[in-house]
Amino acid sequence: DVKVTQSSRYLVKRTGEKVFLECVQDMDHENMFWYRQDPGLGLRLIYFSYDVKMKEKGDIPEGYSVSREKKERFSLILESASTNQTSMYLCASSFLWGPETQYFGPGTRLLVL
Amino acid sequence: DAKTTQPPSMDCAEGRAANLPCNHSTISGNEYVYWYRQIHSQGPQYIIHGLKNNETNEMASLIITEDRKSSTLILPHATLRDTAVYYCIVTLRDDKIIFGKGTRLHILP
Repeated sequence: DVKVTQSSRYLVKRTGEKVFLECVQDMDHENMFWYRQDPGLGLRLIYFSYDVKMKEKGDIPEGYSVSREKKERFSLILESASTNQTSMYLCASSFLWGPETQYFGPGTRLLVL
Repeated sequence: DAKTTQPPSMDCAEGRAANLPCNHSTISGNEYVYWYRQIHSQGPQYIIHGLKNNETNEMASLIITEDRKSSTLILPHATLRDTAVYYCIVTLRDDKIIFGKGTRLHILP
């Protein structure tokens, strides 16, 4: 079974803090994704990566950056957290392109005070 | 723009078939219909997808109308564990997923 793990299930941070969200997958997948999920808005793609050190902006990259130094790990960084970044953050990975191949992690619920 | 319209919520009795509708009237010829679900406190889970033909797997069946403007996801014998938000997504095979608001399915004991 594919396993996608995220470093924290719940996180509380203060405005202006730098926040790191870590995602690790154990299936040697090429592609990794970061989404945020908000009530009434569904999932929105923040960034994705199709190879080590490669990254592409999604629909809402503003206020975020990412890092992919190793194939199995994809980090989402909030340089200076703001209250409007309070959300559920979901990581996914896939070997092939195609929505049917994406496996999601359990999510990190981030609260920015 | 999620390109799909789903009812916000539905109820289904345990053991019955749950039929979840989705409208996608602007679907283009090479776009697929995908279904995901998200159980509370978990990440989304892929269920099934199709292009033109009806599809069935161990989880569900997908019925796509001949004009492809709508589809129905069928869970043949719903259980309490099927309580979740179900997302219908229309996209190209190699394109990103755009999740809409989905349908919150309640399975009633």
